[in-house]
Amino acid sequence: DQQVKQNSPSLSVQEGRISILNCDYTNSMFDYFLWYKKYPAEGPTFLISISSIKDKNEDGRFTVFLNKSAKHLSLHIVPSQPGDSAVYFCAAMVYNQGGKLIFGQGTELSVKP
Amino acid sequence: DAGITQSPRHKVTETGTPVTLRCHQTENHRYMYWYRQDPGHGLRLIHYSYGVKDTDKGEVSDGYSVSRSKTEDFLLTLESATSSQTSVYFCAISERGLNTEAFFGQGTRLTVV
Repeated sequence: DQQVKQNSPSLSVQEGRISILNCDYTNSMFDYFLWYKKYPAEGPTFLISISSIKDKNEDGRFTVFLNKSAKHLSLHIVPSQPGDSAVYFCAAMVYNQGGKLIFGQGTELSVKP
Repeated sequence: DAGITQSPRHKVTETGTPVTLRCHQTENHRYMYWYRQDPGHGLRLIHYSYGVKDTDKGEVSDGYSVSRSKTEDFLLTLESATSSQTSVYFCAISERGLNTEAFFGQGTRLTVV
């Protein structure tokens, strides 16, 4: 049973436009959510996170939105740049349970010049 | 970059042989994790450790064992490798209370033939 789902395997966006990556979860115990970015042949790198007590967190061009009632979060990248082309993983955890991350399947973002 | 080293980076082994992957950290973080990445599944937690000699199972622990005799080293052993264990394996570390996000190593690509 997939507790964290990213239903779009891929997304293509023009440089300068907004990229929106979506993630859904089923476990209502999750209270912390993270986005990781992964380039080929490298390990995932942390991008941005959000606690369940918030509904929005911004860091430069990256904003994460959390809708707890819908069990949905999204990552917005504005403006998108070619260097943002990578696989993006959504992850969730129950904060007091050892930091175990449950990942979605990933979305491959391609930003075209 | 967080000080995490995985070894080996690549390995080809035969079905039925034991294999040990090593994760070494220089950050003195309490928590260490082993994940595997497979197409369509994202990253799935195999085992994790919350201290020296303290380990627990993750989502896909069958066929794997771990050991942590020192803070800095976390070993993943495939007791008798099978073709279904062909994957990319990532080690991660985290420290509750300081950084919520986990930092990942570069990965080990394991092929079982």
